[in-house]
Amino acid sequence: KNQVEQSPQSLIILEGKNCTLQCNYTVSPFSNLRWYKQDTGRGPVSLTIMTFSENTKSNGRYTATLDADTKQSSLHITASQLSDSASYICVVTLNYGGSQGNLIFGKGTKLSVKP
Amino acid sequence: GAVVSQHPSWVICKSGTSVKIECRSLDFQATTMFWYRQFPKQSLMLMATSNEGSKATYEQGVEKDKFLINHASLTLSTLTVTSAHPEDSSFYICSATKGTVYNEQFFGPGTRLTVL
Repeated sequence: KNQVEQSPQSLIILEGKNCTLQCNYTVSPFSNLRWYKQDTGRGPVSLTIMTFSENTKSNGRYTATLDADTKQSSLHITASQLSDSASYICVVTLNYGGSQGNLIFGKGTKLSVKP
Repeated sequence: GAVVSQHPSWVICKSGTSVKIECRSLDFQATTMFWYRQFPKQSLMLMATSNEGSKATYEQGVEKDKFLINHASLTLSTLTVTSAHPEDSSFYICSATKGTVYNEQFFGPGTRLTVL
């Protein structure tokens, strides 16, 4: 069964600290993996996209890693800010030869950054 | 850029009425648009896939007669919740693709529907 599991479910950190969110997936055939940030009451916003051959990708203070062998990904947030408080969603795309709707969503990690 | 808008951002309606939600790609032509529903503390769940000029493809368990989708142009898709009931109260999010190498989906800001 195609699944995306994220951990932890929720996380509270102090402003300025770093944190790492985890994503494990059992999705096949794999096309790419994305991390999204979703603020409360808003749509998801893409942070990174990685294909099978990419091990790491950065976007400002966000760095995502991908280990296609172990089917694990992580999102590292450096020097957290209050505005980082949001849900972070790991999404894996199935490769169905051009099909565009086959996204498998994780349930997200709710991050709270406290002053 | 790749900006997707939704209108309205929130709506409250009485049970039994119909509600229309618009999804627009503002600065690109969307090859495909998608409609999702998200309940509190849950993942986004795909409801249907919409291609311009053709009938939408609905996911299993989604009633096509209740959730009417019209994709009249490459920049506009609408979702109409017909005869809404309190259990239809949810956060509805659309997304659109513009045919990049990743076929990345760009999400709208969502519409909060509350049915009284």
